[in-house]
Amino acid sequence: NAGVTQTPKFQVLKTGQSMTLQCAQDMNHNSMYWYRQDPGMGLRLIYYSASEGTTDKGEVPNGYNVSRLNKREFSLRLESAAPSQTSVYFCASSEPVDRGDTQYFGPGTRLTVL
Amino acid sequence: QKEVEQNSGPLSVPEGAIASLNCTYSDRGSQSFFWYRQYSGKSPELIMFIYSNGDKEDGRFTAQLNKASQYVSLLIRDSQPSDSATYLCAVKSGGYNKLIFGAGTRLAVHP
Repeated sequence: NAGVTQTPKFQVLKTGQSMTLQCAQDMNHNSMYWYRQDPGMGLRLIYYSASEGTTDKGEVPNGYNVSRLNKREFSLRLESAAPSQTSVYFCASSEPVDRGDTQYFGPGTRLTVL
Repeated sequence: QKEVEQNSGPLSVPEGAIASLNCTYSDRGSQSFFWYRQYSGKSPELIMFIYSNGDKEDGRFTAQLNKASQYVSLLIRDSQPSDSATYLCAVKSGGYNKLIFGAGTRLAVHP
């Protein structure tokens, strides 16, 4: 049982390049989330998917797109990377009836945009 | 704007002491409250969640919730150096199916 997995672990991009961050969970959770974490600012929600086939914007969606490919997988795409998107990105999943809708986090992707 | 506030610290306590971490929130409709621990360079991991007023204990950890004061705390008894980490408070508001995280309090337990 791997829980939540993310790829890649590290990435360096140049301004204007695009990339997709991958996330998968094997806990049969309906809800999945993408966060970014910057020093001193805690975790901020980028996008979330309450169930397969649905996605909604979070607090900081600008510059990102998401795809809920199936129940297991939720990807985050940066179409044209900017230095302001340098951050650590975490994917999480949850099930509303499980432990108060506790979110379980993946190991994170450390992204640097030059 | 729903907010969750935590003292950034660092909170420094000696080994064996009680560490007290505090969190306040702005949305009175908040229903569930979570404490996560995050070691440097790692992802957050759940310590406890609480949704009823009062105390909830799990081993050396006790979460305390006071909805009237919009205040949730985490007590760590017999603190160990391995408890040194950043502790994130997260709040789920009623009718808002997402968590709002505080910026975290850094705890340092020294031998």
